[in-house]
Amino acid sequence: QKEVEQDPGPLSVPEGAIVSLNCTYSNSAFQYFMWYRQYSRKGPELLMYTYSSGNKEDGRFTAQVDKSSKYISLFIRDSQPSDSATYLCAMSNTGFQKLVFGTGTRLLVSP
Amino acid sequence: ETGVTQSPTHLIKTRGQQVTLRCSSQSGHNTVSWYQQALGQGPQFIFQYYREEENGRGNFPPRFSGLQFPNYSSELNVNALELDDSALYLCASSVPTSGGANTGELFFGEGSRLTVL
Repeated sequence: QKEVEQDPGPLSVPEGAIVSLNCTYSNSAFQYFMWYRQYSRKGPELLMYTYSSGNKEDGRFTAQVDKSSKYISLFIRDSQPSDSATYLCAMSNTGFQKLVFGTGTRLLVSP
Repeated sequence: ETGVTQSPTHLIKTRGQQVTLRCSSQSGHNTVSWYQQALGQGPQFIFQYYREEENGRGNFPPRFSGLQFPNYSSELNVNALELDDSALYLCASSVPTSGGANTGELFFGEGSRLTVL
């Protein structure tokens, strides 16, 4: 079993939809949780970063962490075609060191 | 634009050969990490270098080795290439947080895509 599980998709939604992306994990030592966006032929770029449990909002993006359930989510409101990319969850017990990534979920937002 | 550049962008090698991948980080980013991303998978941590010393390693064999130089450049070397080494190799640089080798946000390059035949 992988330490971090993520549905690979693809997830197809119409423009303007609310998107929910999720990951589960097994290592209870993880304290730092990130969401990265990766466009085709590009490196991952950091979208959101959360320490421990709780919610964090940044514009159209909201990240949620539920450590009791070992479950994290990323919500995208008013999705745009430019949001079409692969979304990777990542986590660690040491900040940005030795990140453990999920498989990535491919999101397609159609106009 | 992350300021992290990697070369070459693509290369093809045959099984058993050796390869060197290069990375140039932003000035001041004295921590560099390397990740392997197989097709359809998330990146896997290979190792991290801080002040030219290896500072953490993932579950990769010794034939994966690295170097970091004082001019914010680094190398990933892979010996005795295997078919399963075919992947996108990502370099990520960062600045340390206060106190030493723990890092802030990682800035990824666009990767070097290695194909092993």
